[in-house]
Amino acid sequence: DAGVIQSPRHEVTEMGQEVTLRCKPISGHDYLFWYRQTMMRGLELLIYFNNNVPIDDSGMPEDRFSAKMPNASFSTLKIQPSEPRDSAVYFCASSHDRVGKPQHFGDGTRLSIL
Amino acid sequence: GQNIDQPTEMTATEGAIVQINCTYQTSGFNGLFWYQQHAGEAPTFLSYNVLDGLEEKGRFSSFLSRSKGYSYLLLKELQMKDSASYLCAVRDGGGGNKLTFGTGTQLKVEL
Repeated sequence: DAGVIQSPRHEVTEMGQEVTLRCKPISGHDYLFWYRQTMMRGLELLIYFNNNVPIDDSGMPEDRFSAKMPNASFSTLKIQPSEPRDSAVYFCASSHDRVGKPQHFGDGTRLSIL
Repeated sequence: GQNIDQPTEMTATEGAIVQINCTYQTSGFNGLFWYQQHAGEAPTFLSYNVLDGLEEKGRFSSFLSRSKGYSYLLLKELQMKDSASYLCAVRDGGGGNKLTFGTGTQLKVEL
């Protein structure tokens, strides 16, 4: 079975540019999560969806960040405009809606804002 | 909210046993997960505890005490490939499958 698929794997862009990260969750999973990981702050939850509906976006840093899930097999995380402090690894994860079922992570997008 | 504490770094010898501790203070609790993350890779699931006691899975075991807000991950017969970061994560007491992660314990296995 295919795991969580993220694209691109690496992104280098200049400050002020729009960045769009993409995620395809595991088929049949009800939940989708976006995380950001840095050395300083570790793995932080940004937002998560249940059945395509955003449930908790309290981790989204500011209005420059937005996320959508138009259908069960696709989600995007957008940063506009990007800033150097947004440089991090962004992970997408998905899981079943059952107690004890773990979240499965994609390989991440390594984002560098110059 | 959730507060999760783990040691930042640990070093152990190949073939030995190491115990990685995790303490948590939460407004709700619905299970604790351990993940392994090698450098430059994604976290991968290791174990899950929701009831008190020990869960064993091959060379890895995980223990939970809900009354003490405490868990540990035990790694036996350490191998060089076990060098990685180990993340403790607590599932929120509310509905959903939201996890709060600790900052991770970087384990270095030496010869």
